[in-house]
Amino acid sequence: SQQGEEDPQALSIQEGENATMNCSYKTSINNLQWYRQNSGRGLVHLILIRSNEREKHSGRLRVTLDTSKKSSSLLITASRAADTASYFCATDGGYQKVTFGTGTKLQVIP
Amino acid sequence: EAQVTQNPRYLITVTGKKLTVTCSQNMNHEYMSWYRQDPGLGLRQIYYSMNVEVTDKGDVPEGYKVSRKEKRNFPLILESPSPNQTSLYFCASSFRGRAYEQYFGPGTRLTVT
Repeated sequence: SQQGEEDPQALSIQEGENATMNCSYKTSINNLQWYRQNSGRGLVHLILIRSNEREKHSGRLRVTLDTSKKSSSLLITASRAADTASYFCATDGGYQKVTFGTGTKLQVIP
Repeated sequence: EAQVTQNPRYLITVTGKKLTVTCSQNMNHEYMSWYRQDPGLGLRQIYYSMNVEVTDKGDVPEGYKVSRKEKRNFPLILESPSPNQTSLYFCASSFRGRAYEQYFGPGTRLTVT
């Protein structure tokens, strides 16, 4: 099964609203990353948070990590139509393996 | 421009006909990796390479081969493709491994009939 599981699977919001998506994982990690994928295209790295960090910001993105609950959340503030994409969390599965979740599909309605 | 390139972008082939998908990066990255993406399953790692002549299996290596003879290139070889290998394939590279952000290629959509 996937190391990372995103929730919800799909999310539809109005432009200007905040979007929150969650990722849960099963085993201990060194870091967790979030990626964005526009339809059918290659993934783009958004942000990396290390296991000893609790929160990280990058522009309109805010990522939190709770290692005791084995979960992370990605918050996109003041969403725009251009944020419409699928979002994936990725965890290092040891020995340089990287495990991606199944993704959250975000639709931002103008 | 820093990038990862893949060729071909689209390929339709028949069962059993050997094929190679090329991947090249111009960022002098040590780590390269192949993934396949299937609906409902997300991305799954096929093979990865920490450096030249160093490769290892990911989660779904069956039916695939890779080689890393040069730092910039990491081809994916399907010696006898089968319909269950129909998928969207991505190559990615990063500076030094999983602790660093990965740069992804544009993807190769493969259909095996």
